[in-house]
Amino acid sequence: DSGVTQTPKHLITATGQRVTLRCSPRSGDLSVYWYQQSLDQGLQFLIQYYNGEERAKGNILERFSAQQFPDLHSELNLSSLELGDSALYFCASSVARRRGSDTGELFFGEGSRLTVL
Amino acid sequence: AQSVTQLGSHVSVSEGALVLLRCNYSSSVPPYLFWYVQYPNQGLQLLLKYTSAATLVKGINGFEAEFKKSETSFHLTKPSAHMSDAAEYFCAVSEFGNEKLTFGTGTRLTIIP
Repeated sequence: DSGVTQTPKHLITATGQRVTLRCSPRSGDLSVYWYQQSLDQGLQFLIQYYNGEERAKGNILERFSAQQFPDLHSELNLSSLELGDSALYFCASSVARRRGSDTGELFFGEGSRLTVL
Repeated sequence: AQSVTQLGSHVSVSEGALVLLRCNYSSSVPPYLFWYVQYPNQGLQLLLKYTSAATLVKGINGFEAEFKKSETSFHLTKPSAHMSDAAEYFCAVSEFGNEKLTFGTGTRLTIIP
């Protein structure tokens, strides 16, 4: 058990819909990362938050957005869903305790599997 | 920009044989390098990491990796494969102060009984 909790584990929805994925990082971790894993794209970094602020952005579509709340949990919002958005979405948190001190050692949740029909 | 290349998307070895999974990196500054393992229906778990200390890094489950700057490589090895090693393995790179972790495309390891 990594200590990172993601809900829901599975989600099936239709094209055009909107979903929200939730992540609770390990206790005390300030950084939250979102990754998308699909068969054709592999593991793609989407976005990172550090203590409530957006820290880094990767290959995140404009239809997707995220935020980190004061209690440090994070949500990833996916809207106007397309078939190609079907993937496993991972949240991870970092051991870093200071801004800019991350080394890439991440703790991953078990993922939320999104199926768009 | 940092990147990693994993050679071989699928590797099969016999139980008890040597496991060798290849990873080459590209980084403009001294990198931090990682191997993560993903078992079926699970998240990624850190196997080992290199953060500029010893070049030979030992990880969990008997795995180790050697950082070779001259070859820009960070290959993962295990002397004797076990059935429980069947999983997908990801090499990853980051740079200190740049929090983004960049993953390779993964290598699926199959163990033959």
